[in-house]
Amino acid sequence: GDSVTQMEGPVTLSEEAFLTINCTYTATGYPSLFWYVQYPGEGLQLLLKATKADDKGSNKGFEATYRKETTSFHLEKGSVQVSDSAVYFCALIRYAGGTSYGKLTFGQGTILTVHP
Amino acid sequence: ETGVTQTPRHLVMGMTNKKSLKCEQHLGHNAMYWYKQSAKKPLELMFVYSLEERVENNSVPSRFSPECPNSSHLFLHLHTLQPEDSALYLCASSHLGQGQPQHFGDGTRLSIL
Repeated sequence: GDSVTQMEGPVTLSEEAFLTINCTYTATGYPSLFWYVQYPGEGLQLLLKATKADDKGSNKGFEATYRKETTSFHLEKGSVQVSDSAVYFCALIRYAGGTSYGKLTFGQGTILTVHP
Repeated sequence: ETGVTQTPRHLVMGMTNKKSLKCEQHLGHNAMYWYKQSAKKPLELMFVYSLEERVENNSVPSRFSPECPNSSHLFLHLHTLQPEDSALYLCASSHLGQGQPQHFGDGTRLSIL
């Protein structure tokens, strides 16, 4: 079955440091890939997405590139802020059997804490 | 800010109670989803409704009963829950079609006594 593996956290950084959160996936076919972020006490917010190989998703300074050859979708940000402290989830969505709704498979989440 | 609203935000209930969780989306989507988020486990898809028809039921116990009366509303009826059902229950919605992201509500934190 489909699976998503994220680097284990927690990740603790100082403000303005470079961030990388690794994500690799296993899936048949051509899934779309997403990064979601969850702030304390809130639901998941879509951070960025990529729908085909070599696509780069970007939003709020975060970037991730869909690498089919390495089945990866690593999240990066050049300079993190305290307000980026949250839990980050990598996810894939696949459409089986001609259905038009997708089934999301999530990684386990990576806790990021940024200190001033 | 979210276009998917869940109520209540917190719910404490005994194992013999009956309660319902409500989800409403204001995004014009035509698919809706229930997820369960437990501590130290990946999010689990519970149910999928596409055009108000249930199309997925991921081996969820019958003590959870979903209802989708129209494309904007989704309910999760709860009855005779167990302590292990304590979790954050998240509702999501999306347009149908490939590559469409799902948009989540803030969830209902459920505690079973």
